[in-house]
Amino acid sequence: TQLLEQSPQFLSIQEGENLTVYCNSSSVFSSLQWYRQEPGEGPVLLVTVVTGGEVKKLKRLTFQFGDARKDSSLHITAAQPGDTGLYLCAGADNQGGKLIFGQGTELSVKP
Amino acid sequence: DAGVIQSPRHEVTEMGQEVTLRCKPISGHNSLFWYRQTMMRGLELLIYFNNNVPIDDSGMPEDRFSAKMPNASFSTLKIQPSEPRDSAVYFCASSFQGVHYGYTFGSGTRLTVV
Repeated sequence: TQLLEQSPQFLSIQEGENLTVYCNSSSVFSSLQWYRQEPGEGPVLLVTVVTGGEVKKLKRLTFQFGDARKDSSLHITAAQPGDTGLYLCAGADNQGGKLIFGQGTELSVKP
Repeated sequence: DAGVIQSPRHEVTEMGQEVTLRCKPISGHNSLFWYRQTMMRGLELLIYFNNNVPIDDSGMPEDRFSAKMPNASFSTLKIQPSEPRDSAVYFCASSFQGVHYGYTFGSGTRLTVV
C-alpha cells in the first residue's frame, strides 16, 4: 500500500515568516500534486510535479519533487493570513489511476 | 463552468435511514471519484469511475455503501442503512485525461448520522 506522510500536521506562524511543509513516502509516485483546502470547501489544485528533481514556483510558493520521486516539499515565503488553510499532498499511484492523499498540514498565519 | 456540483451540502439523518448523495461532474471530464474526509483518517478514496464504469471500489467500507454512474453527467453514492460512524464530509471530484491533470473537487456533503 502506498502511503504519504506529511509534516508537520499543524503549523502556526506570524505573517511574514517562511515555512516548509514536507510530504514523504517509501514508495515511488508517477506524479505528485499539492492542494489547498479552505473550511467548508473541497481541495483546490495548486500544482502538479512529474519529473524527479522538478521545481515549480507559484508566486510565493515553491514546490519541489524529490529526485527519487518519493518525496516533495512546499515552501512559502513571507506567509500571509490568506495562506491559511489545509495543505494536502497527493501522489498518483503506480497504475496512474487514482490519487493517494497525505493527512494534510493545517497552516494558520496570524496577522 | 459551474464546477463539480454536489447535493445536498448538509444532511442530517437518523441511524438506519438510507442516504443518497449526488454529484454532477464537470462536462467533458471522463473520470469521477468519491472521497470521504474525517479528522482521524483524512481523505479516503471510496470508488472511482472511468467513462461511467466503476474501476476500483476497494475503498468502499462495507456493503452498506454503493455507488452508481448511470451517465457521464451524474453519479450517486448511497448508504443503506446509515450508521453514526458514517458521519463525515463526502467529496466528489472529476478529472480529464487522467490523474496527472489533477482533480476538481466539489464543495462536499457534510453527513451527520445521529
